[in-house]
Amino acid sequence: GENVEQHPSTLSVQEGDSAVIKCTYSDSASNYFPWYKQELGKRPQLIIDIRSNVGEKKDQRIAVTLNKTAKHFSLHITETQPEDSAVYFCAAPNPGGKLIFGQGTELSVKP
Amino acid sequence: DTEVTQTPKHLVMGMTNKKSLKCEQHMGHRAMYWYKQKAKKPPELMFVYSYEKLSINESVPSRFSPECPNSSLLNLHLHALQPEDSALYLCASSQVAEYPNTEAFFGQGTRLTVV
Repeated sequence: GENVEQHPSTLSVQEGDSAVIKCTYSDSASNYFPWYKQELGKRPQLIIDIRSNVGEKKDQRIAVTLNKTAKHFSLHITETQPEDSAVYFCAAPNPGGKLIFGQGTELSVKP
Repeated sequence: DTEVTQTPKHLVMGMTNKKSLKCEQHMGHRAMYWYKQKAKKPPELMFVYSYEKLSINESVPSRFSPECPNSSLLNLHLHALQPEDSALYLCASSQVAEYPNTEAFFGQGTRLTVV
């Protein structure tokens, strides 16, 4: 089955700096990798996803990179702002429709 | 409409009570999910319904009983819960449940407290 490891568990950056969160997965057949942002007391919300036919995807200040050979994918947030503070989860699916989440990264952006 | 709506938002129940959580989506999605989430932990999958049939039960205790009356509705019936069952219960939906998966939309959750 799929296993997803996420690092770091906590990340503190200064406003304006970049933040990088990394995930590794085990199932080489996985080909869809979403990232969710969850603010305190709110639902997880998809912020970006990538499929295995591309190596990078960008949406304004957020980008995701995928290395299928190494089985890892990363979330990059540039020019961080205090409202980026949240818990971020990576995920990967296994056959049968089960989305396996990483353990989460608590990002704190200090003004 | 890209919303998954859950009711109630908050629920406090005693260990002998019976209550139900409700979830609704009108995006035409054929896969619906129940997740349980503890503070600062990832969502844990409980159940998956695919085309209104239960396709995955993650060895969830029988005090949790899911029901999918139609393709837009998902219920979670609760009975004789324990204090450790207190958590945020999240409903989600996606177009289909077959691999590879597509975007899962989450409801805002029901904050459940068992006293």
